[in-house]
Amino acid sequence: EAAVTQSPRNKVTVTGGNVTLSCRQTNSHNYMYWYRQDTGHGLRLIHYSYGAGNLQIGDVPDGYKATRTTQEDFFLLLELASPSQTSLYFCASSPDWGGDTQYFGPGTRLLVL
Amino acid sequence: GDSVTQKQGQVTLSEDDFLFINCTYSTTTYPTLFWYVQYPGQGPQLLLKVTTANNKGISRGFEATYDKGTTSFHLQKASVQESDSAVYFCALAEWGAGGYKVVFGSGTRLLVSP
Repeated sequence: EAAVTQSPRNKVTVTGGNVTLSCRQTNSHNYMYWYRQDTGHGLRLIHYSYGAGNLQIGDVPDGYKATRTTQEDFFLLLELASPSQTSLYFCASSPDWGGDTQYFGPGTRLLVL
Repeated sequence: GDSVTQKQGQVTLSEDDFLFINCTYSTTTYPTLFWYVQYPGQGPQLLLKVTTANNKGISRGFEATYDKGTTSFHLQKASVQESDSAVYFCALAEWGAGGYKVVFGSGTRLLVSP
């Protein structure tokens, strides 16, 4: 079973703050994804990557950067956090592109004051 | 643009009731369709996956049929249990002009009472 871990699990920051969310997967999957989950919107894709050094833009990328440093590690960066980015963030991975099964991490709850 | 619609925000049932969760999609292609389930405090996990090659998916007593004519992918279960209480997401995935695209519905919360 694929294992995806996220850290931190909870984060509080202030408007304008700098936040980095971390994700690690241990099954050598090619694809990794960052989503945000908000009531009434389901999950929305922020960024995704198909390998180390690669980054693809998702559906709601504004205000977010991401970097895939290794096969295992994918980071989401909020350089000037805003209250609108208060959300539950999920990382996921899959062996191949999004038509393959995605394995999700436990989520990071971010509150921007 | 592509979209996935789940009209039911919440469904409340008793154990052994029949479950039907509505999902319709809009796209110009024939995407891969999914149902994911999210239990409290966890990330979503795959429940069902159906491609154009196989019209029906069945897992853990749940089933969903890929209907290209009505562009629907409703989720059904003959007899729900309290342990089925969770949020259910319908989703589609496809390659488009702008690259990979995935769209999730807004989710349907299922509450099953004993």
